[in-house]
Amino acid sequence: AQTVTQSQPEMSVQEAETVTLSCTYDTSESDYYLFWYKQPPSRQMILVIRQEAYKQQNATENRFSVNFQKAAKSFSLKISDSQLGDAAMYFCACEGGSQGNLIFGKGTKLSVKP
Amino acid sequence: DSGVTQTPKHLITATGQRVTLRCSPRSGDLSVYWYQQSLDQGLQFLIQYYNGEERAKGNILERFSAQQFPDLHSELNLSSLELGDSALYFCASSETGISSGANVLTFGAGSRLTVL
Repeated sequence: AQTVTQSQPEMSVQEAETVTLSCTYDTSESDYYLFWYKQPPSRQMILVIRQEAYKQQNATENRFSVNFQKAAKSFSLKISDSQLGDAAMYFCACEGGSQGNLIFGKGTKLSVKP
Repeated sequence: DSGVTQTPKHLITATGQRVTLRCSPRSGDLSVYWYQQSLDQGLQFLIQYYNGEERAKGNILERFSAQQFPDLHSELNLSSLELGDSALYFCASSETGISSGANVLTFGAGSRLTVL
């Protein structure tokens, strides 16, 4: 069974600074996708970034990038130039199988200080 | 607006009761997923449907059931409710329902269930 672990329940960053959220996963699939979702106080789950496991190049979406280490089964999220609107819960997720359902970690609550 | 519609947004009921949560997927999406988010358990995958058929099952209790109708909307039925069933229930939809670059899950705003 797939598992996803986020070891940082809470993180804090100063506005305009950079922060990295950690995630490790375990899967028996040979080809899979990894995701980071953001959940602001509105509760809406918003896709931040995704990574295809067979691609060695790390995914980037504007200020968000990942450090994907396949051998170590590590998938961290880096947020550059942090903004107040980045404050949210961040969930790392791995596909749970060929059906595409996602297995989520327990989340990291990110606070951004002005 | 994500395009995934969930009703009701909030629901308060008593132990032992039964409720139905409804989800309309984003236009063009054939697969629907149900997740439960509680404070101590994070986001738990419950069940997935694709074009009316059950595709995958997660940690769904026997007291819970779901179905996807021909018009692709889905309903999650929760019966014999217990205090511990209080949670945020999310529906998500995706285009293909299989592992692929196109299979990005889009989430609804959730239904907040409170069992008293």
